Amino acid sequence: DAGITQSPRHKVTETGTPVTLRCHQTENHRYMYWYRQDPGHGLRLIHYSYGVKDTDKGEVSDGYSVSRSKTEDFLLTLESATSSQTSVYFCASRTGVGYTFGSGTRLTVV
Amino acid sequence: GQNIDQPTEMTATEGAIVQINCTYQTSGFNGLFWYQQHAGEAPTFLSYNVLDGLEEKGRFSSFLSRSKGYSYLLLKELQMKDSASYLCAVRDGVTGGGNKLTFGTGTQLKVEL
Repeated sequence: DAGITQSPRHKVTETGTPVTLRCHQTENHRYMYWYRQDPGHGLRLIHYSYGVKDTDKGEVSDGYSVSRSKTEDFLLTLESATSSQTSVYFCASRTGVGYTFGSGTRLTVV
Repeated sequence: GQNIDQPTEMTATEGAIVQINCTYQTSGFNGLFWYQQHAGEAPTFLSYNVLDGLEEKGRFSSFLSRSKGYSYLLLKELQMKDSASYLCAVRDGVTGGGNKLTFGTGTQLKVEL
């Protein structure tokens, strides 16, 4: 396993507040990704990183920002949470050929 | 961009064989993946195809035809624990594209007695 951990596992937040989700990996992998998963849409890429301080947008990046100041940590920030951002968020890292996913963060925006 | 299609739901009987199809249209291609996801859990890796043909791994096999933009996942000797969502994903082949995976919406498989 890539040893990916996500925190928190569950969070409830109010509309308009900023929220940061953390992804931590212990395998020194270069590539890391943030996805959201919603019924009927599957997993959709939000942002990804190809190295420290190197990030780029995915298909559903509006309202999200990321930072990667260290190889092991990839942070996802919802700048001002909206109800449409209620979702399950998965972090992943590329492990050679494949990809390993964290356990997910269930975020509810009320 | 990528467009990936797979059936939404399938039902099969314990002990039987089931084939889950996936078709894709992509602007670049660098491999096709199948993942299994149980409810409330993370996706877990099942198989990877980058060349045409069949890859076999125990009860699971995956096939790829790049010219047809088509793959299938074959599950043999179905067990109740195989009830899960099966996700087809394509890795882009764009240089500098970050090796991104694009996923289909998943096929929910229900295994019945």
